[in-house]
Amino acid sequence: GIQVEQSPPDLILQEGANSTLRCNFSDSVNNLQWFHQNPWGQLINLFYIPSGTKQNGRLSATTVATERYSLLYISSSQTTDSGVYFCAVVSAGGTSYGKLTFGQGTILTVHP
Amino acid sequence: SAVISQKPSRDICQRGTSLTIQCQVDSQVTMMFWYRQQPGQSLTLIATANQGSEATYESGFVIDKFPISRPNLTFSTLTVSNMSPEDSSIYLCSVQGQVEAFFGQGTRLTVV
Repeated sequence: GIQVEQSPPDLILQEGANSTLRCNFSDSVNNLQWFHQNPWGQLINLFYIPSGTKQNGRLSATTVATERYSLLYISSSQTTDSGVYFCAVVSAGGTSYGKLTFGQGTILTVHP
Repeated sequence: SAVISQKPSRDICQRGTSLTIQCQVDSQVTMMFWYRQQPGQSLTLIATANQGSEATYESGFVIDKFPISRPNLTFSTLTVSNMSPEDSSIYLCSVQGQVEAFFGQGTRLTVV
């Protein structure tokens, strides 16, 4: 099956710093999403981005499908950005509709 | 977007017992998905629940341990049977929207 690798596994920042999270995937995808998991375990949708670039406030994401990677940018980080960031994909294979494969996540800690 | 209500939000259960988790969606969906997140780990797909047919389980998951019901297009249940401490995890249901997937708030299960 498709493999998803995220880096770095852990990231510690001071408030106000910028960061880049990376997601590499091993095959063509129909869907790529970035999620933020809060301390209570809830997954918050950040971006649906199988290709191209999107921005939402301090967050932006870019996916280069032909090179099989996606980047999540967090600018001017805040303590509330802390948590786990997951990249998840749906393989372009015919039997994979809706089935998300998750990376191992990046644990982000933002200190005041 | 889809609004998903999942309950219970958390529970502490005795080993050997079973727990049924409910997932209610605010719109009709063809497929619903159940995921498990073990402590400190990423999310893994347990099964796909289709209305009117048996659930399809991923490798490593079996119906006897995780029976699933899907009585209509807005509701599904996942039962964790004959629980052991190794079943302590967050269980999440998910639906595929028009383009992106959405998740319930999760059920944090502790087996003692």
